Amino acid sequence: GQQVMQIPQYQHVQEGEDFTTYCNSSTTLSNIQWYKQRPGGHPVFLIQLVKSGEVKKQKRLTFQFGEAKKNSSLHITATQTTDVGTYFCAGPNSNSGYALNFGKGTSLLVTP
Amino acid sequence: EAQVTQNPRYLITVTGKKLTVTCSQNMNHEYMSWYRQDPGLGLRQIYYSMNVEVTDKGDVPEGYKVSRKEKRNFPLILESPSPNQTSLYFCASSILGAYEQYFGPGTRLTVT
Repeated sequence: GQQVMQIPQYQHVQEGEDFTTYCNSSTTLSNIQWYKQRPGGHPVFLIQLVKSGEVKKQKRLTFQFGEAKKNSSLHITATQTTDVGTYFCAGPNSNSGYALNFGKGTSLLVTP
Repeated sequence: EAQVTQNPRYLITVTGKKLTVTCSQNMNHEYMSWYRQDPGLGLRQIYYSMNVEVTDKGDVPEGYKVSRKEKRNFPLILESPSPNQTSLYFCASSILGAYEQYFGPGTRLTVT
């Protein structure tokens, strides 16, 4: 079945360092979404990418969608302690466009 | 305030005792969904609903039932809970299909 793989599972950085998480799908995606979940909280939508090769920025966060629409990345420049949390990517299931497959997430820990 | 609400937020129950977790959204969203979150497994979709009286299975539907009699409500029913259903459950909604999901605060269920 379709899978959305996400790496790394964990990342521990010093404040000010950069961070990147990668997402790969076994099938072409119509769109990919990114979510952030703070410890003890619920996932919160960050962004959606739709076009091949799309790049979007939100302040220190840069999101990319691959040319083949099968992979994506989230890059955070100069991490801050407020970036702590788990970052998930998600894409529609190729068999049913209404089902949503999430990656297992990357947990980011930032130490001051 | 636009929101997704879930009740109860915490529940401890015993094996075999039927329970219902309610979910309600006030955004007039067509699409609603249930996820479970387990350590190391990320978010897995249980069931989703594209509209009133239209539901479909996600990745892990076994042991769960849902209904969508009204647009705003999407209860999750465990007819005979078992310990392997101990998990953190999230309800989510979106305007249409597998796009930007708005998550509820979560329900932490323990089955002993």
